[in-house]
Amino acid sequence: DGGITQSPKYLFRKEGQNVTLSCEQNLNHDAMYWYRQDPGQGLRLIYYSQIVNDFQKGDIAEGYSVSREKKESFPLTVTSAQKNPTAFYLCASSQQGAASGELFFGEGSRLTVL
Amino acid sequence: QKEVEQNSGPLSVPEGAIASLNCTYSDRGSQSFFWYRQYSGKSPELIMFIYSNGDKEDGRFTAQLNKASQYVSLLIRDSQPSDSATYLCAVIAGTASKLTFGTGTRLQVTL
Repeated sequence: DGGITQSPKYLFRKEGQNVTLSCEQNLNHDAMYWYRQDPGQGLRLIYYSQIVNDFQKGDIAEGYSVSREKKESFPLTVTSAQKNPTAFYLCASSQQGAASGELFFGEGSRLTVL
Repeated sequence: QKEVEQNSGPLSVPEGAIASLNCTYSDRGSQSFFWYRQYSGKSPELIMFIYSNGDKEDGRFTAQLNKASQYVSLLIRDSQPSDSATYLCAVIAGTASKLTFGTGTRLQVTL
């Protein structure tokens, strides 16, 4: 089945550690996105990529990094520079590019900093 | 002023009733409007989109857009307990051409 796979589903991190969240899609979509969701808040865009080997910062990119070496994969690293990383992280893709609102989401990764 | 505003709720409606969810946006140049449904602990899924003024119907769902008043609504007819979720409004602003989400309205359909 086509879709977006995120892993791990739950992740615990000690302060000062970097962690990488995986996102893989087999929908053949060019555009991929990372969002962060905090309780009672909407989704906030961290990074997005419209094409392989290219990505742009979203609204809250500080403390995060990404890569897009393959069309199918868009991993997110939460670095120790991110001051409040505990959140629900959502990866998404779209067929129509960065200005599309028709997003397909993965199941999400819930990160907790201990 | 937030770019996309929604009442957080909860909005409680009895089973079988019509649920009306509202969303206002600040950028008058916005062109595209989306409704996502998010069950607790799950990821959002797109249920409706609307680009033109007026109504757009899909099964029990109707999206309504009024660009002059800068609001978009989602009506759910014959509400079912399975409709209980948070509904996120999202808008592509005309100037930024990026998707901005509201904070969502939690809907509770009671038996």
